[in-house]
Amino acid sequence: AQSVTQLGSHVSVSEGALVLLRCNYSSSVPPYLFWYVQYPNQGLQLLLKYTSAATLVKGINGFEAEFKKSETSFHLTKPSAHMSDAAEYFCAVSRSGSARQLTFGSGTQLTVLP
Amino acid sequence: EAEVAQSPRYKITEKSQAVAFWCDPISGHATLYWYRQILGQGPELLVQFQDESVVDDSQLPKDRFSAERLKGVDSTLKIQPAELGDSAMYLCASSLVAGTSYNEQFFGPGTRLTVL
Repeated sequence: AQSVTQLGSHVSVSEGALVLLRCNYSSSVPPYLFWYVQYPNQGLQLLLKYTSAATLVKGINGFEAEFKKSETSFHLTKPSAHMSDAAEYFCAVSRSGSARQLTFGSGTQLTVLP
Repeated sequence: EAEVAQSPRYKITEKSQAVAFWCDPISGHATLYWYRQILGQGPELLVQFQDESVVDDSQLPKDRFSAERLKGVDSTLKIQPAELGDSAMYLCASSLVAGTSYNEQFFGPGTRLTVL
């Protein structure tokens, strides 16, 4: 079975500062990994995904994440936070295979301070 | 841009009542998922359809929850009777085909259920 752990349920950064949201995964087979963003009372939007190609993945809105197998990590970063980045972020893992089911972490609420 | 549609967006009901949620996936998407997201947690899969067939409903509380996708297009999730612990966001997602290569799941806006 696969799982993800998101370290830090709440993260606060100042506008213009580096954003770092942490995600560690557990999977017995090569995983697919994802970051989603959720704004209040809305569904989830895919930010980026790792599907065994390049280990550094670039996504939308200036976010990127690096797959590190040795550390079983897939941390999300953005060089400069914007007020509009304030939202909840979810890391998710999926097995390669026919089911393609996603297992989500518990989420990290990002607050951007002016 | 094609989107997953869900209705209603908000539902308030009393415990022991029946509720139903509707989802219309993106046209052409064969795979449909229902997730439950309790406040402060990540979504958890309830049921997965491939066309009109259930692929996985192992996490669906079948004593009170039911889901159907009769014509392999839109889907309905029902709860009867609703309990206080069912208060959550119910999310629907769809993807092209859950096959040998990755297909992105697209999420709808969700239905926020409050059980009083």
